[in-house]
Amino acid sequence: KNEVEQSPQNLTAQEGEFITINCSYSVGISALHWLQQHPGGGIVSLFMLSSGKKKHGRLIATINIQEKHSSLHITASHPRDSAVYICAVISGTGGSQGNLIFGKGTKLSVKP
Amino acid sequence: NAGVTQTPKFRVLKTGQSMTLLCAQDMNHEYMYWYRQDPGMGLRLIHYSVGEGTTAKGEVPDGYNVSRLKKQNFLLGLESAAPSQTSVYFCASSYAGPNYNEQFFGPGTRLTVL
Repeated sequence: KNEVEQSPQNLTAQEGEFITINCSYSVGISALHWLQQHPGGGIVSLFMLSSGKKKHGRLIATINIQEKHSSLHITASHPRDSAVYICAVISGTGGSQGNLIFGKGTKLSVKP
Repeated sequence: NAGVTQTPKFRVLKTGQSMTLLCAQDMNHEYMYWYRQDPGMGLRLIHYSVGEGTTAKGEVPDGYNVSRLKKQNFLLGLESAAPSQTSVYFCASSYAGPNYNEQFFGPGTRLTVL
């Protein structure tokens, strides 16, 4: 079983729609990252959070540590939001202790 | 600031050839990472460094070596390339560990091993 599971794998939305991407993890974590990978391949960090909620522009990230679940919301979606969104957690065990474990990503396509 | 840069951007190798990928950052970051990204899989950590002169193995280190002789540079070497090493390689850096700081990524190197 993958330690980080994202859903959905693919998502198509119409411009203006409210979008939710989910991330569930099976390990104990100290922090969770959301990243965006542009169609050209570049990766940028969107959020790092360990509790509660963070907001940046039209993006909102929430985390529930007890339920081992995080969501990334995009309000008023726009075609320029089309990208792959990646969730990553910091594992406290194993060979990569203290390093990021990444989900496979959610590919979002926003149609005009 | 250039941020994180990677050279080369593309490379094609034959099986058994060697090469070095260079990652450079100008943000005075302590931590640097090498990841590989393969279709249908999440990014996987190859090696990382928590400071100049130090390196450590990640999740998939076999077939790779690294060096961090200068704080701003992190080199990834393939001594004898194999087709299984065909991938997109990303370098990243951060001021401190992932518990505390976001990571900044380079643009990636697309490597094909024939």
